[in-house]
Amino acid sequence: EAGVVQSPRYKIIEKKQPVAFWCNPISGHNTLYWYLQNLGQGPELLIRYENEEAVDDSQLPKDRFSAERLKGVDSTLKIQPAELGDSAVYLCASSSASGSYNEQFFGPGTRLTVL
Amino acid sequence: DQQVKQNSPSLSVQEGRISILNCDYTNSMFDYFLWYKKYPAEGPTFLISISSIKDKNEDGRFTVFLNKSAKHLSLHIVPSQPGDSAVYFCAATSGNTPLVFGKGTRLSVIA
Repeated sequence: EAGVVQSPRYKIIEKKQPVAFWCNPISGHNTLYWYLQNLGQGPELLIRYENEEAVDDSQLPKDRFSAERLKGVDSTLKIQPAELGDSAVYLCASSSASGSYNEQFFGPGTRLTVL
Repeated sequence: DQQVKQNSPSLSVQEGRISILNCDYTNSMFDYFLWYKKYPAEGPTFLISISSIKDKNEDGRFTVFLNKSAKHLSLHIVPSQPGDSAVYFCAATSGNTPLVFGKGTRLSVIA
């Protein structure tokens, strides 16, 4: 069974530029999560989707971050414009248990560097 | 204010010995706890979990102990193997709330 796929794995951009990350969850998983992981910290939830509906986006900085999950499968996370403090690893995870945060499967992450 | 704390940033253990990783939490509403393992350049991988109705859960070489009165849990790895060298994250949730992760403990198992 293929795991959670994320691309790109690494991205270097200059501040004020836009950037987008893509995630393909495990087949059949209807719950998808985007996390932010700063250096030396644990992952922090940005947004959770149940199918195509964002059910928890309270931690998503909506002034510059946006996300979508069209058709309830793949998802894209966008930052526009990027700031220096956005340098971090962006993790995507998926799970099959609706309404539960248990046993999520994580992708390898996208490491973003903003110069 | 950190709700999940892993106070040891790193731990070194000899191969074959026991590794004990600790985690403390402050939110008494947490009722489900998980441990994740993370290798470099990979995402975290689920390792083991425990519900607040239990005080112990075992899976092969891995055992998690929960002390609700002390708001403390620990992960025991016996025997430790070089392949266990990774960063271990403790996480907690109260049902339908987001996982709250600790900062992680880097375990090094020395051959």
